[in-house]
Amino acid sequence: SVLLYQKPNRDICQSGTSLKIQCVADSQVVSMFWYQQFQEQSLMLMATANEGSEATYESGFTKDKFPISRPNLTFSTLTVNNARPGDSSIYFCSSSGVSAEQFFGPGTRLTVL
Amino acid sequence: GDSVTQTEGPVTVSESESLIINCTYSATSIAYPNLFWYVRYPGEGLQLLLKVITAGQKGSSRGFEATYNKETTSFHLQKASVQESDSAVYYCALVPDTNAYKVIFGKGTHLHVLP
Repeated sequence: SVLLYQKPNRDICQSGTSLKIQCVADSQVVSMFWYQQFQEQSLMLMATANEGSEATYESGFTKDKFPISRPNLTFSTLTVNNARPGDSSIYFCSSSGVSAEQFFGPGTRLTVL
Repeated sequence: GDSVTQTEGPVTVSESESLIINCTYSATSIAYPNLFWYVRYPGEGLQLLLKVITAGQKGSSRGFEATYNKETTSFHLQKASVQESDSAVYYCALVPDTNAYKVIFGKGTHLHVLP
């Protein structure tokens, strides 16, 4: 299994600002994933990040709005640009194990005022 | 497309009572997806509770069980006697195939177990 840590665990920011969410794994992982979860809704995959290449985004998510960096095999950063109240949600990073199971970080709760 | 539907919460039961959280799935991209239950305890991240990758098989963990029923496309989570420590949010999920990374989650079911 893989342990994932996220920082910060929560953040409050003003509309129009940008913020970064960091994810650190306790071992090297090939792929990291970012999920968004609105209250009482399911987790939605935002993007897949592999080391040394641009992240692959799912429908509804763009690089301009949610740039993701993956500088090495244990680290990834999700940025939320020009944050809006509609971006208020919990953001999770994850990595995959055998049989497609996922390991998740504890989540970052974002509130945009 | 692929989707997961599960019991809407919150679900409240008393300690030592039995529990069932329903989950049905639709998998259009593959006949027999991999099925999972994840759990998020208060203050913690999601963690895998159990998984079944073969239709007809049963998975179990921490007293919970779920059987992969391909006829009814269901993967209901059951426990014979819940404990207060089982209070959490439970997510049913599927992955279309073993090489895919995209997990399709249900909306989650809040379970409150009363002492």
